Parts: sequence; structure tokens; C-alpha cells
Amino acid sequence: QKEVEQDPGPLSVPEGAIVSLNCTYSNSAFQYFMWYRQYSRKGPELLMYTYSSGNKEDGRFTAQVDKSSKYISLFIRDSQPSDSATYLCATMEYGNKLVFGAGTILRVKS
Amino acid sequence: EADIYQTPRYLVIGTGKKITLECSQTMGHDKMYWYQQDPGMELHLIHYSYGVNSTEKGDLSSESTVSRIRTEHFPLTLESARPSHTSQYLCASTGGTEAFFGQGTRLTVV
Repeated sequence: QKEVEQDPGPLSVPEGAIVSLNCTYSNSAFQYFMWYRQYSRKGPELLMYTYSSGNKEDGRFTAQVDKSSKYISLFIRDSQPSDSATYLCATMEYGNKLVFGAGTILRVKS
Repeated sequence: EADIYQTPRYLVIGTGKKITLECSQTMGHDKMYWYQQDPGMELHLIHYSYGVNSTEKGDLSSESTVSRIRTEHFPLTLESARPSHTSQYLCASTGGTEAFFGQGTRLTVV
């Protein structure tokens, strides 16, 4: 079993929709949680970073961590065609290596 | 914006050549990583380093080698390139919490 599970999609939504992307993880020692956006042929770009449980909002993006259920989410409001990309969740314990999900392909149709 | 740089961005090279992919960061991060990623596929960790003179192999077996003589520099070397090494190579670094990626090197071995 992978340490971080993420549905690869693809997820296809109309422009303006609210998108929900999710990951589950198995190691309760994970403390740091990140979401990356990766456009085709580019390196992953850090979108959101969260420490421990709770919500964090940045513009149209909200990251949510529920450590009790080992569940992490990224919500995108008013989705745009430019949001079409692969979204990767990642996590780690302090001082240990990063662990990534497989990535979810998102397509926002205009 | 993350201060982590990879060179070259693109490289086409003949079979049997020795190549070094460069990765440098100016954030003073201790931990650095190399990932291999084929188009549309997930990231695979091939090497990581927790500091100077510390290197470990990742989850995916790779014929490449790495060195960490300086904190800011984490080069990856292929002694004899083969067509099976054709892929995108991504470097990342973290100070223990957030992690940042370079733009990647797209390697083609002909």
C-alpha cells in the first residue's frame, strides 16, 4: 500500500465549478502537507502549504487537513481553464523525506 | 519565488555519453531530492540528501549517481547514457517544511 493515495483522474469540470481534490495517507507522523500544481512539461509549483490540521485559504484555493481521518483536500472555487493541470499532494514528517501522491489530472472546460 | 535552478533545461545526447545534470539552490536548504518523471506519470524518487556528504538511493532504482559536496549543489551524473534514461529529471529542496522544485531537465538519449 502506498503511503499517500490519490485518485489520478482525469477530473473534468465546467468553467466556474468548485473542484475538490483529495488524498489519503497512512502515516500518522506526517505533519506537513503541500499541494503542487504541475503544468505539462514543467516542474511542480507549490500552491499551498499547511502544518498539522486545519484550513488555509489563498484566493480561490483552500487546503484542508483532517489528521484524525488522515485526509487532505484542495478546493478550487470558480475554476478557470488555466487551472487545467496535474495537482499533486505531498506530505512529510519533519526532517524526513517527502512523500507524493500520484497526482490528479484536472481539466476545466470553457 | 523558489530559488532552485536546474541546468540544462533540455538535453539531447547520444548513447554512451557521460552527462551531469546540475541543481543548485540558494535557500540554504539541507534536504535535496532528485525525481524522475515520464510524461503523464507520477514522480519517482531516485536520490535524496539530508546534507553535505549525505546521499541515499530513492524508491526507484536508477543507474545515476549523485554527490553533495556543498549545501547548495546536488548534481546527478549518468556515466553512460542509454535510451531508457530518456525522461524528465526534477530536483527539489526543503528546509524541513515546504519543498520547492526546479523547472526540470528534459533528457533525451538517442
